[in-house]
Amino acid sequence: SQTIHQWPATLVQPVGSPLSLECTVEGTSNPNLYWYRQAAGRGLQLLFYSVGIGQISSEVPQNLSASRPQDRQFILSSKKLLLSDSGFYLCAWRGGTSGAGELFFGEGSRLTVL
Amino acid sequence: DQQVKQNSPSLSVQEGRISILNCDYTNSMFDYFLWYKKYPAEGPTFLISISSIKDKNEDGRFTVFLNKSAKHLSLHIVPSQPGDSAVYFCAALSSGNTPLVFGKGTRLSVIA
Repeated sequence: SQTIHQWPATLVQPVGSPLSLECTVEGTSNPNLYWYRQAAGRGLQLLFYSVGIGQISSEVPQNLSASRPQDRQFILSSKKLLLSDSGFYLCAWRGGTSGAGELFFGEGSRLTVL
Repeated sequence: DQQVKQNSPSLSVQEGRISILNCDYTNSMFDYFLWYKKYPAEGPTFLISISSIKDKNEDGRFTVFLNKSAKHLSLHIVPSQPGDSAVYFCAALSSGNTPLVFGKGTRLSVIA
């Protein structure tokens, strides 16, 4: 069966520090991968998605970046965090050939920037 | 411009009664719709979906209705239970390898 894991689960970082959130998927190949953010009082905002290794689409311009170094690994990064980067970050995957559209989410990573 | 709108940020319902969560969309290319449930500090979990070729899909206590002409869908939960208290996200998708577009969510509180 397929599983998705992301870490760390909780992170407290000072403004201006770097960020790296990792996400891995097991039990499937060539998944579509996504990073979403849920900020306080807001919905799920799509940040990046990837349909294959090295292929990244950015939905929202900001100081975050994403990379997909391996088929089932998706990394969210920042060189210098801002206060506004605080939020709950969710990694998700969907079968590359699936027509159903169902997304499976990881457990989430709560980032607090102080 | 929000393509998927959940205009009610919160809803409070008594246990045993019906909960109705609403969602509107603007993109006529959307042809698949999903509802997700999210507890605090957890990732959302898939609840129920509906294709645009249908107007109703039922799964146990959960039913989703789609009105394509009005670009409106709703999730009905009956009977509501305290464990249903969560944030519910509506999401929409168009054909192809496109990402899901989510609404902002509605927080449902089921009161015992």
